[in-house]
Amino acid sequence: DVVMTQTPLSLPVSLGDQASISCRSSQSLVHSNGNTYLHWYLQKPGQSPKLLIYKVSNRFSGVPDRFSGSGSGTDFTLKISRVEAEDLGVYFCSQSTHVPTFGGGTKLEIK
Amino acid sequence: EVQLVESGGGLVKPGGSLKLSCAASGFTFSDYYMYWVRQTPEKRLEWVATISDGGSYTYYPDSVKGRFTISRDNAKNNLYLQMSSLKSEDTAMYYCASSSYYAMDYWGQGTSVTVSS
Repeated sequence: DVVMTQTPLSLPVSLGDQASISCRSSQSLVHSNGNTYLHWYLQKPGQSPKLLIYKVSNRFSGVPDRFSGSGSGTDFTLKISRVEAEDLGVYFCSQSTHVPTFGGGTKLEIK
Repeated sequence: EVQLVESGGGLVKPGGSLKLSCAASGFTFSDYYMYWVRQTPEKRLEWVATISDGGSYTYYPDSVKGRFTISRDNAKNNLYLQMSSLKSEDTAMYYCASSSYYAMDYWGQGTSVTVSS
């Protein structure tokens, strides 16, 4: 199975800061059809995960434009341009190019 | 508004069985692939099963293959997960999720399964 490695495990930030989370896969996530099925989710405390970004860089419905995704191949990044209080929680990357797998999560918390 | 509501979780002994349900509303259920995903007590997310829109195709990881069965009733807008030969490592919160863009776009609130003697 494809191993998804997220860094850092914990990301202390001040409100208004930019935050960046890295996700690396153990093999290329480029599908034979040319698409890259790398997605990002946010799980707020006490809630289920919610989709933020699909296929590397596409914001899901209702997701603010301060969230952006980038990357290719095996190396991907989620950026939050100006962190707000409602952004706190655990961020997971996931791939569905192969058998679906998830990263271990990055906890975004207040510094 | 898309809603996914899971039910059927509980405490079960090792080797026992349990059937989870997921009631879907707010979208055309029969048009979408559906997933079951679980979150372990350590907060790790694991894919458990996928079913095609019509129900003809199902997919499982090796960890549950032969023990879990995903199914759906498109007339009732319901998704199911029949779990048997349960092990302690199956203890988790189980979520159903709908699929768009090969991602899990909407998730339910989850139902908790504990496997313990």
